[in-house]
Order: sequence, then C-alpha cells, then structure tokens
Amino acid sequence: DAKTTQPNSMESNEEEPVHLPCNHSTISGTDYIHWYRQLPSQGPEYVIHGLTSNVNNRMASLAIAEDRKSSTLILHRATLRDAAVYYCILIYAGNNRKLIWGLGTSLAVNP
Amino acid sequence: DAMVIQNPRYQVTQFGKPVTLSCSQTLNHNVMYWYQQKSSQAPKLLFHYYDKDFNNEADTPDNFQSRRPNTSFCFLDIRSPGLGDAAMYLCATSRDRGQGQGAKNIQYFGAGTRLSVL
Repeated sequence: DAKTTQPNSMESNEEEPVHLPCNHSTISGTDYIHWYRQLPSQGPEYVIHGLTSNVNNRMASLAIAEDRKSSTLILHRATLRDAAVYYCILIYAGNNRKLIWGLGTSLAVNP
Repeated sequence: DAMVIQNPRYQVTQFGKPVTLSCSQTLNHNVMYWYQQKSSQAPKLLFHYYDKDFNNEADTPDNFQSRRPNTSFCFLDIRSPGLGDAAMYLCATSRDRGQGQGAKNIQYFGAGTRLSVL
C-alpha cells in the first residue's frame, strides 16, 4: 500500500491561510487523496478529496502536484475551531473501504 | 440530523470482563466500520460490514468480535479486555457504490467511545 508523510505539527495565526503538506511519493494512478480532520475528543470528519485536479469546497482547497506525489490542504482563513489533527489519506479505488492513514499533522491556531 | 451515534461515550470495564460497545446510524449506509485509536495514533481499522458480510482485518485479535443485527446498528464485543485494549473506539459508516468508487467512499464517524480497562 502507498503511504503518506506529514509534518507532526504546525502552527498558524487566526484568520491567516494555512498550507498543510502531504507527501505520497508511492501513490498509484488509481489512488484517491482524501483529507480528514479530527477535533479534540471527536471522531474524524471528512474535509475534501481529489484525484488529479485541484478541488475547492466550503471547508478547504486541495492542491495536487502534477506528478501526484504530493498534495497540500489549504485552509484559507484559519479559525480557532480549525485546531485539529489533519490526516492525509489514500484510498485505493480497487479497495475503497480501506483508508490508508498518515500519522496526521496537529494544527494549533493562535488567537 | 442524520448521524452516527456511539454509546456510551465513556466505558470502564475490568480486566477480563466482557464489554460491548454500540453504534447506531440514521444515514441508512450499507457499510459500517469499527476502528481502534490509541493516544496520538491514527485510527486502526478492526473490521467492517458490507451489508451483512463481515470483513475482518488480518491483524485484528480474536478477542474482538462484531455483530450487525440490522442496517442501523452495529456492536463491538471485546471478549476478555486486557490493559492494552484501553483506547478510543470509533464507529464509521459509508454508502458504498461498489469497487472503483474510491472518490465517493466518504466515511462518517461517530464521536467515539473511550474504553478504560482497570
């Protein structure tokens, strides 16, 4: 299975953009890139996903490198509520019930 | 709101005493998952049900069992909890449209049950 690598922790200031990187150099052509986040004492929640093209939704943007070996989750204006662990996850289209979790990035947001 | 509900949020059991954790969903999803999450680690998939079909992960200990009596409910049974089984247990659901649909397999998680073993 392909694996993901993320920084252990990052810090941001409130209302500033945050770029959370993820390396997945062994990604295959059929692996989808998903991001989930886990707020303290909560279960993970879906944030965004993509395959090759950049994606935007109400929560975030996902920028995928042209060679797909890395991606970046972008929070356009961090709020205190965005403090969480962000997981970069690969899903193999041939076994789409198995999430391949990274170790996650713990994001701290300063007021 | 449709959601995934886990009860209880906190469970304390004794070493070796069987314990059951429950999960219910109002999303009418056909797949239900159980994960174990230990402190500062990513969730680890224990098993999942695709409709009524049980799918165990190869490294899930026999001590962990599951039941899914209907679409809405799923239970995690730990037959003889050890100290190493203290963890957060997460239930998740997804609507599976079949293989090759990796983009659409979004999982919805409950808030988890934190299990303590004394």
